[in-house]
Amino acid sequence: AQKVTQAQTEISVVEKEDVTLDCVYETRDTTYYLFWYKQPPSGELVFLIRRNSFDEQNEISGRYSWNFQKSTSSFNFTITASQVVDSAVYFCALMNTGFQKLVFGTGTRLLVSP
Amino acid sequence: DAGVTQSPTHLIKTRGQQVTLRCSPKSGHDTVSWYQQALGQGPQFIFQYYEEEERQRGNFPDRFSGHQFPNYSSELNVNALLLGDSALYLCASSPFGSGESNQPQHFGDGTRLSIL
Repeated sequence: AQKVTQAQTEISVVEKEDVTLDCVYETRDTTYYLFWYKQPPSGELVFLIRRNSFDEQNEISGRYSWNFQKSTSSFNFTITASQVVDSAVYFCALMNTGFQKLVFGTGTRLLVSP
Repeated sequence: DAGVTQSPTHLIKTRGQQVTLRCSPKSGHDTVSWYQQALGQGPQFIFQYYEEEERQRGNFPDRFSGHQFPNYSSELNVNALLLGDSALYLCASSPFGSGESNQPQHFGDGTRLSIL
């Protein structure tokens, strides 16, 4: 069975603080994909990053960075120097190969105040 | 380049009624997936359509059915609506058939369904 756990329900920070969103996953597959999506109040899920299980290299994109550690089954997301526009619900998701079924965590609501 | 479009935006129904939600995939995408997102929860996979057939199904009852048309657009039908069906219904598309499997799914804004 596949499962994604996002233990942090809600995080509140002040603008310019760094914040890390945690994601732990479970799967029996040896090949799989991990994703992060952002959901603003409008409801649309915005794709942020995809990582396959064979690529443990960390990735940085502007103020965003991702740390994938297969040994601990974690795929954490860090926002550096947070901004008010980063306020949203962030979802971590897991996909098996073949079929494109996404298994989502329960999400972490990030509130960035000025 | 239009993204994934869903209609209607909002819908109010009463228990026992039937509803049809619609989705047009992003240009170039041939696979459509539907998700249900209850308030405060992550999206749950309902089913996926490719080549006008249901390829995979999540843990949802037969009251939930779908269809994909030759132009790749899709419909989600829910019969005998229950209060628990109140949720945001998200449609996602991806270019599976082109061989680009496991590409990110692109989501629409969703249809918010309220059951009274």
